[in-house]
Amino acid sequence: AQSVTQLGSHVSVSEGALVLLRCNYSSSVPPYLFWYVQYPNQGLQLLLKYTTGATLVKGINGFEAEFKKSETSFHLTKPSAHMSDAAEYFCAVSWGASKIIFGSGTRLSIRP
Amino acid sequence: NAGVTQTPKFRILKIGQSMTLQCTQDMNHNYMYWYRQDPGMGLKLIYYSVGAGITDKGEVPNGYNVSRSTTEDFPLRLELAAPSQTSVYFCASSLLAGFRETQYFGPGTRLLVL
Repeated sequence: AQSVTQLGSHVSVSEGALVLLRCNYSSSVPPYLFWYVQYPNQGLQLLLKYTTGATLVKGINGFEAEFKKSETSFHLTKPSAHMSDAAEYFCAVSWGASKIIFGSGTRLSIRP
Repeated sequence: NAGVTQTPKFRILKIGQSMTLQCTQDMNHNYMYWYRQDPGMGLKLIYYSVGAGITDKGEVPNGYNVSRSTTEDFPLRLELAAPSQTSVYFCASSLLAGFRETQYFGPGTRLLVL
């Protein structure tokens, strides 16, 4: 069965440190990959997505992610964390036109 | 351009009561979706629609009904509320190609069933 796994339900980093949020999926079918961010009491907003082409994808707010087919991964990174990055982050994977699965989310905390 | 709007923001229901969660989008998107978000569980798709008059079940449709009479509106109906339906409900929309496209989310409706 197809699945999406986000390693670590909670990640805490210091302000200015590297942010790394992990996402792995299981499927032999090429997927479409998304990262969404959810700020408290708000809906989800798209950070970035991979559909085809370049495997390194740049998104908003300085985030980027790299699609690694051999590792079935789509990890999210940001070189330098900012206090405003504190939020919940969801990886989502779509196969075809009629299915999408969201990961369980990773809550990112930023220490001053 | 308001995007996706949802009403109400919060509601408490008694077991067995019914209610409709409203969702409206003003972006002329074809696709609309309903998700529920439970703590630590991510989002689960309840129903989706590819256009007016066309709806289909998602991963967790039991206990819910939907209709899509216009492009703009996609209400979600709970007929007999149960405690298991306590959750945060999000409506979303996308322009084309369904799940391959960016989805735009509303702010959510928090529902408590007691």
